[in-house]
Amino acid sequence: QQQVKQSPQSLIVQKGGISIINCAYENTAFDYFPWYQQFPGKGPALLIAIRPDVSEKKEGRFTISFNKSAKQFSLHIMDSQPGDSATYFCAAKAKTSYDKVIFGPGTSLSVIP
Amino acid sequence: SQTIHQWPATLVQPVGSPLSLECTVEGTSNPNLYWYRQAAGRGLQLLFYSVGIGQISSEVPQNLSASRPQDRQFILSSKKLLLSDSGFYLCAWRKAGQETQYFGPGTRLLVL
Repeated sequence: QQQVKQSPQSLIVQKGGISIINCAYENTAFDYFPWYQQFPGKGPALLIAIRPDVSEKKEGRFTISFNKSAKQFSLHIMDSQPGDSATYFCAAKAKTSYDKVIFGPGTSLSVIP
Repeated sequence: SQTIHQWPATLVQPVGSPLSLECTVEGTSNPNLYWYRQAAGRGLQLLFYSVGIGQISSEVPQNLSASRPQDRQFILSSKKLLLSDSGFYLCAWRKAGQETQYFGPGTRLLVL
């Protein structure tokens, strides 16, 4: 299955709170899991990425948690700020001749003051 | 450093008209290049990818075509646009052997 599921579709969080976005996959051949952040009218930008042999990766306020046995991974944004308001896409890269990336449908995050 | 450009930024075209969107990458050679379409409020759908000059593969059969006339140039075309071609078109590049794709600023296409 070449699908990546993502939830919730939209999320509203108070400033200073924790934003959590969850993703799940079925293809065990995926070997790289990036998260992208997209602001309105802009192209997605890589936020953070993880490989399946690592259970957690942290960069500043952003943390990926990865559960290989459950085939799930999640993005945690600590101390969420209004500037974090954007659409977040989880993704998974498959091992093909061109390294195809499968994107989740996206989560629209709004951080309110 | 590498940069990726797309133009135009915005385009309004009538149904049945031709289309040409251009993407260029600077600061790298022999990149893998990708065209995606993003419908409003939706995820990214891979349309075409290219691993080299003149080498184009299509992911989804459709009204569009792609070409790569130069190493760092990727063009998305259509002979006759449909209403359903409206969307946000994103070009991306990836350095061969590395994992991350980097996206351009996108072209918003509205077909009326």
